[in-house]
Amino acid sequence: QQQVKQSPQSLIVQKGGIPIINCAYENTAFDYFPWYQQFPGKGPALLIAIRPDVSEKKEGRFTISFNKSAKQFSLHIMDSQPGDSATYFCAASKEAAGNKLTFGGGTRVLVKP
Amino acid sequence: DSGVTQTPKHLITATGQRVTLRCSPRSGDLSVYWYQQSLDQGLQFLIQYYNGEERAKGNILERFSAQQFPDLHSELNLSSLELGDSALYFCASSVGSSSGNTIYFGEGSWLTVV
Repeated sequence: QQQVKQSPQSLIVQKGGIPIINCAYENTAFDYFPWYQQFPGKGPALLIAIRPDVSEKKEGRFTISFNKSAKQFSLHIMDSQPGDSATYFCAASKEAAGNKLTFGGGTRVLVKP
Repeated sequence: DSGVTQTPKHLITATGQRVTLRCSPRSGDLSVYWYQQSLDQGLQFLIQYYNGEERAKGNILERFSAQQFPDLHSELNLSSLELGDSALYFCASSVGSSSGNTIYFGEGSWLTVV
């Protein structure tokens, strides 16, 4: 049972473009939605996170948009750089399950110079 | 560097064997998690410990077991290994155990079963 669905699986943009990654969840009990960035050979690292009572959050060039009624959230990478080339994972957790993260399938982003 | 240390980084073992993966959490973190990452299953939660006690269990096989010791380091034991157990195993840690606590991942232990 895939509780968090992520799309697309891969994305190629030119430098300066805005990659957009979308996630949809099923369980309305989820109350925390982080995004993780993973480089080859490294572990995932927290990029930005949002709670469902907020519709948008920005940290630097990264923005999360959250639509509670549609049970969807997305990551936008503004002014993307080649160094942003990585795999991005959305995730969700709920208080009743402790801090267990349910991850989406991941999106491999390539930013061309 | 997340501060989470995992050993070994790579290991190759034969089917039917048993291995132990070790994890030292970030200083001050009481919660430890184990995740498995594979191409077909993605990132899957296995188990969580908080201050020595099991806190949550995910898709962990009965052949797998884990524990967290009084010094807060953790070990994941994988036994009767099968080819399909080949994956990247991540340990992660956080200060608390409730939803929203930032989880920091180690660099993983690559397990290849031949």
